[in-house]
Amino acid sequence: ETGVTQTPRHLVMGMTNKKSLKCEQHLGHNAMYWYKQSAKKPLELMFVYNFKEQTENNSVPSRFSPECPNSSHLFLHLHTLQPEDSALYLCASSQEGAGGYTFGSGTRLTVV
Amino acid sequence: KQEVTQIPAALSVPEGENLVLNCSFTDSAIYNLQWFRQDPGKGLTSLLLIQSSQREQTSGRLNASLDKSSGRSTLYIAASQPGDSATYLCAVKWGNTDKLIFGTGTRLQVFP
Repeated sequence: ETGVTQTPRHLVMGMTNKKSLKCEQHLGHNAMYWYKQSAKKPLELMFVYNFKEQTENNSVPSRFSPECPNSSHLFLHLHTLQPEDSALYLCASSQEGAGGYTFGSGTRLTVV
Repeated sequence: KQEVTQIPAALSVPEGENLVLNCSFTDSAIYNLQWFRQDPGKGLTSLLLIQSSQREQTSGRLNASLDKSSGRSTLYIAASQPGDSATYLCAVKWGNTDKLIFGTGTRLQVFP
């Protein structure tokens, strides 16, 4: 499989649940990203990992916890979320330098 | 503050028209600029990537131009088709940072 793969595609969770989003890239890129897309807002950068090291945390609440075990995999662990956290969560990867970004299909998260 | 703005927010045109979508950005010291397409509820598909040293890029019926001095990029769609209906997003990377900053997008509808 090529490109950036995200699972699950859809997720409904209660505010007390713990769940994880998974992202995998097969492009040999060395940087991976989590973005949040809410209705009528620009995409918001959440986290950046470069060579497995977190280089950016864009003031994201601690109920979102990223994990990057290697350059090909990225997780977003979720716990005690709020209804306003419902959104499309997009993963992307790029090659450091002048390369463009490749995005996955996203996980549609609904918090009830 | 580094920001990206897209106008118009929405556009509805009959099939066959040639279209121009606009993107403007603060701070002309960009590294590259990327145009994406997003279908409803889906991830982002990369259309064109323009490096800071380039003036334009072409792919099929799409042509993107870059004018750093004026802080503008345009996406030109020739002979529009109903299948072109989607939201088009402009995103800018400044310097050699890990951040890709997005505009709010232009929602395009092409009717038969």
